[in-house]
Amino acid sequence: KAGVTQTPRYLIKTRGQQVTLSCSPISGHRSVSWYQQTPGQGLQFLFEYFSETQRNKGNFPGRFSGRQFSNSRSEMNVSTLELGDSALYLCASSFSTDTDTQYFGPGTRLTVL
Amino acid sequence: DAKTTQPPSMDCAEGRAANLPCNHSTISGNEYVYWYRQIHSQGPQYIIHGLKNNETNEMASLIITEDRKSSTLILPHATLRDTAVYYCIVRASGGGADGLTFGKGTHLIIQP
Repeated sequence: KAGVTQTPRYLIKTRGQQVTLSCSPISGHRSVSWYQQTPGQGLQFLFEYFSETQRNKGNFPGRFSGRQFSNSRSEMNVSTLELGDSALYLCASSFSTDTDTQYFGPGTRLTVL
Repeated sequence: DAKTTQPPSMDCAEGRAANLPCNHSTISGNEYVYWYRQIHSQGPQYIIHGLKNNETNEMASLIITEDRKSSTLILPHATLRDTAVYYCIVRASGGGADGLTFGKGTHLIIQP
């Protein structure tokens, strides 16, 4: 089976812009979670989607949002980018929201200038 | 989710077994122990998980103490490609809550 894929792999934006990142889960997986990784804060949970519904949300401002489509693919959006949003954004998929083995994609490296 | 404690770094000679400890003294009865690793700037890779019995797969073995307050991940024949940050995570079955909680992990360096 193909693994989790994320696009784009690298992105450079300027402050104030918005960005959309995409994640395709492993075939058959219906749960998608998003994480942010920075050198200072480590890996932090953003949100989880299952069957097109947001199930859980981490402690991030409303500028961070996401959605999931009927084919389980997910997108996350960050509006009004700040310098501190520079990070590696990781997507993980699992078969269901009750199955804890999450499989991660390679991540999208976002740089905000 | 229970908290874990891991040494910040460890060295191991190539070809030897790497034994990575994790303390999870407040683990609950329904919490599993998960191990992931992350090679620099890549996504975390799932390694293994267990509840109370020892587990083995093609990558590693997981030894959980009888009282479940600590565990050890064993990489039987470490190679240079095993250099990575290893994360020990405890998580209740049933999902939900706040995603996986990653600590700082152990930076394992395999020496040639």
